[in-house]
Amino acid sequence: EAQVTQNPRYLITVTGKKLTVTCSQNMNHEYMSWYRQDPGLGLRQIYYSMNVEVTDKGDVPEGYKVSRKEKRNFPLILESPSPNQTSLYFCASSQTGWGSDTQYFGPGTRLTVL
Amino acid sequence: AQSVSQHNHHVILSEAASLELGCNYSYGGTVNLFWYVQYPGQHLQLLLKYFSGDPLVKGIKGFEAEFIKSKFSFNLRKPSVQWSDTAEYFCAVNTNAGKSTFGDGTTLTVKP
Repeated sequence: EAQVTQNPRYLITVTGKKLTVTCSQNMNHEYMSWYRQDPGLGLRQIYYSMNVEVTDKGDVPEGYKVSRKEKRNFPLILESPSPNQTSLYFCASSQTGWGSDTQYFGPGTRLTVL
Repeated sequence: AQSVSQHNHHVILSEAASLELGCNYSYGGTVNLFWYVQYPGQHLQLLLKYFSGDPLVKGIKGFEAEFIKSKFSFNLRKPSVQWSDTAEYFCAVNTNAGKSTFGDGTTLTVKP
C-alpha cells in the first residue's frame, strides 16, 4: 500500500532533550516536506526537500533540522526542543515537487514539550 | 511571498444545505491551488486542485471549486452537504519551487 509513515505518533518530552521524528514514504517520491499544525494557524511549512541531499527552509524553520540522505526518508530533528514546539507535525511527499503535484500526507505526530 | 486566507473558520450547516468556503490567495507567479480535507481521525487528503485549463474544477464527493484570477479566489462549493462532510478543509497554494502555503483551515460541522 502506498503510504507515508511517521514515528512516533505521540511523544511527550522535556525541554532540551534532543528528539527525531522519522518520516518514510514507499512511493519513490522525489519531494518531501514537513509541516506543523497549530490551532487557528493551519499548516505551516517547516522544511522541504526536492530530492536527495537537497533541502530548503519553509516558513517556520527555526529550531528544526532535517536531512535527506535517501529518497524514502526525511527525518525531522529537534536538537533542543522548547514548549513552543508543542504541535501536531505532518510529513508529506509528492512525485516531483512541481507545483501541480498532489501531496500525500502521513498520519501526524503529536508532540508535547514540557 | 505567497499567502492564503480562508474567510470562515467554523461553519455549521444542516444536511442538504449548500456550502461555499472562501479562499483568497496572494502570489505573483504561476498558481497551483488545492483544497485538502481532513476527516476526523484521518490523514489530510486531496479534494481537488487547479493548475491550468478549465477554471471550474471538480473533485471527489461532489465538491467543486472555481478559480477566478481577477479576484485571486478559489472558493470551494458543494450543492448539498451530508453529515459525512464534517471535516476540516484547507486551501493551499504551491509554487513550482517546492514551497507550499496553507490557509488557517475551516471546520465544517454538518448537523444530521
